[in-house]
Amino acid sequence: AQRVTQPEKLLSVFKGAPVELKCNYSYSGSPELFWYVQYSRQRLQLLLRHISRESIKGFTADLNKGETSFHLKKPFAQEEDSAMYYCALSSNTGKLIFGQGTTLQVKP
Amino acid sequence: GAGVSQSPSNKVTEKGKDVELRCDPISGHTALYWYRQSLGQGLEFLIYFQGNSAPDKSGLPSDRFSAERTGGSVSTLTIQRTQQEDSAVYLCASSLGGLAGVGNFGPGTRLTVT
Repeated sequence: AQRVTQPEKLLSVFKGAPVELKCNYSYSGSPELFWYVQYSRQRLQLLLRHISRESIKGFTADLNKGETSFHLKKPFAQEEDSAMYYCALSSNTGKLIFGQGTTLQVKP
Repeated sequence: GAGVSQSPSNKVTEKGKDVELRCDPISGHTALYWYRQSLGQGLEFLIYFQGNSAPDKSGLPSDRFSAERTGGSVSTLTIQRTQQEDSAVYLCASSLGGLAGVGNFGPGTRLTVT
């Protein structure tokens, strides 16, 4: 079965601290994985995708097929990073299977 | 250019009534998706359109839910005989093709069934 698990509902850190949002997946085949972010009162937006191997707003995520993980990391959190983060897996039709989401709260 | 738009932004309806939610995708985007975002269930896939066809309707929760797309553009999601558990934010997204991943979500329609 295709599934995405984000074990933390809430992650609270202080500004300047490192952040790691966990994501594990279950998928038979070669997955395409994404992180989405939803800031307060804004629409859901794509943060990054694993095939691009890019860094957006200081965030990176590495696909670990052995551990079936795609954790999102940032070395120094900023207050403006406070948002809801969703990990998602794409099927071959582009349909997305989302994790339950993690609220990141960055305290001053 | 304009992004994905949805209307209405908010809809309050009485239990048992029918509602129609509209999605205007980005021009030229052939793939269109509906999702539902609710507190208990997170973000759930409902239906996928490629052009006017819906090859994947696996996420529609019951036969009260239906959707159509016309002219390869606008899509409407219809919920008949609404129930309180239908209360959620309904999101629409579009993309150039099914394999491209989806980066274009609409603002959503917040449906409240009283």
